Formats: sequence, C-alpha cells, structure tokens
Amino acid sequence: DSGVTQTPKHLITATGQRVTLRCSPRSGDLSVYWYQQSLDQGLQFLIQYYNGEERAKGNILERFSAQQFPDLHSELNLSSLELGDSALYFCASSPLAPRSDEQFFGPGTRLTVL
Amino acid sequence: AQSVTQPDIHITVSEGASLELRCNYSYGATPYLFWYVQSPGQGLQLLLKYFSGDTLVQGIKGFEAEFKRSQSSFNLRKPSVHWSDAAEYFCAVEDSNYQLIWGAGTKLIIKP
Repeated sequence: DSGVTQTPKHLITATGQRVTLRCSPRSGDLSVYWYQQSLDQGLQFLIQYYNGEERAKGNILERFSAQQFPDLHSELNLSSLELGDSALYFCASSPLAPRSDEQFFGPGTRLTVL
Repeated sequence: AQSVTQPDIHITVSEGASLELRCNYSYGATPYLFWYVQSPGQGLQLLLKYFSGDTLVQGIKGFEAEFKRSQSSFNLRKPSVHWSDAAEYFCAVEDSNYQLIWGAGTKLIIKP
C-alpha cells in the first residue's frame, strides 16, 4: 500500500459527460501528479501540482483540468468525454519539488466511456 | 528532446533464470534514471533509481541496474526470477523540467 488513495476505482460513463477523479496523497507529500495510461498511448504525464500551485503541464487536453486543495487532495476533471478518453488514470505523490525523486502511485481509476 | 526506449515489448523467462530488461535514454546531461514495476491491477512502484555515484544500483526485490553513459543505457537485471516478478516494467528519465519521461514498458512473462 503506497499510502495514496484514489476514488472511485471504476467509472463508467457516456460520451459528452463530465467526471471528477479524486486523489489523496501520502501524508506529508506536497506534490501530486496525474497520469493517463492507455494501451495505445502508454503512460502519459498530465499535470503536476505542488502545495496547491500548478507546477508543470504535460499532455493534458483542454477538456481536462485539475486542482489541488488546501488539504492537499487533488481532483482531475474530465469533460466532454470521448471514447478515446477511456483509460486508467493514476495519481502519484512525492514529498519534494521540483525533483521527481520517488513518486508513490495510487491504485488508479479505470474510466470507461461508452 | 529527452526520450526513453524500451526495445522489448514482451519478454518471457523461465522461473529461476536470469533476467535483463533493456532501457536506452536520450538526454544531454547526467540523467536521473528510474525503474518502476506495475503488477497487474496495481499502480507503479519504484524499484530503484540512479542519480549519481556508483553506476551499479541496487533496488528492492533483488533487482539491480547498471548505468552505462557510453551506451546511454540503464538496464535492469535480476539473477533469478520468481513467478511473482511477472509484471510490467517501466524505465523513466527525469527531464530538464524535472518531469519523468517514461518508456513504453516491458511486460515480463514467467514460464513455470
């Protein structure tokens, strides 16, 4: 158990809908990362937050957004969902920034868009 | 731009045999390199990392990796694999923005 929790574990929704994925980092970790893992694209970095501020952006679509709250939990919002958004979404946390050092991954949220 | 190549999509090894998973990177400066493992249905877990110093790095679960600057490689090794090692293995390099660039992964299959 990495100490990172993600909810929900599974999410099934329809095209055009909006969903919110939630992540609670390990106690004391200030950095949160979001990743998308799919069969065709592999593991893609989406976005990083550090202590409430956006730190870095990766291959995140404009339909996606994220935020980190004062209690350090983070949410990833996916809107106008398309079939191609079906994937496993991971959250990871680490204590430090800016270096990556060791990232601790949650178990992921599997999103299925029908 | 930085990149990571894991040339083997799948590797099949007999239980008890030795293992080497290949990773090649493209990065101008001294790289920070990582190997992570993803067991089925789970998130990724760090096996080992190289920042500097001794080029042979020891990790968890009996894994080691050797950094070879001349070959731009960071191959992962284990002398004797166990059935529980069946998983997907990812190599990553930290880029100039301190973000991880990931390889495509190598799926390890263990033959009994």
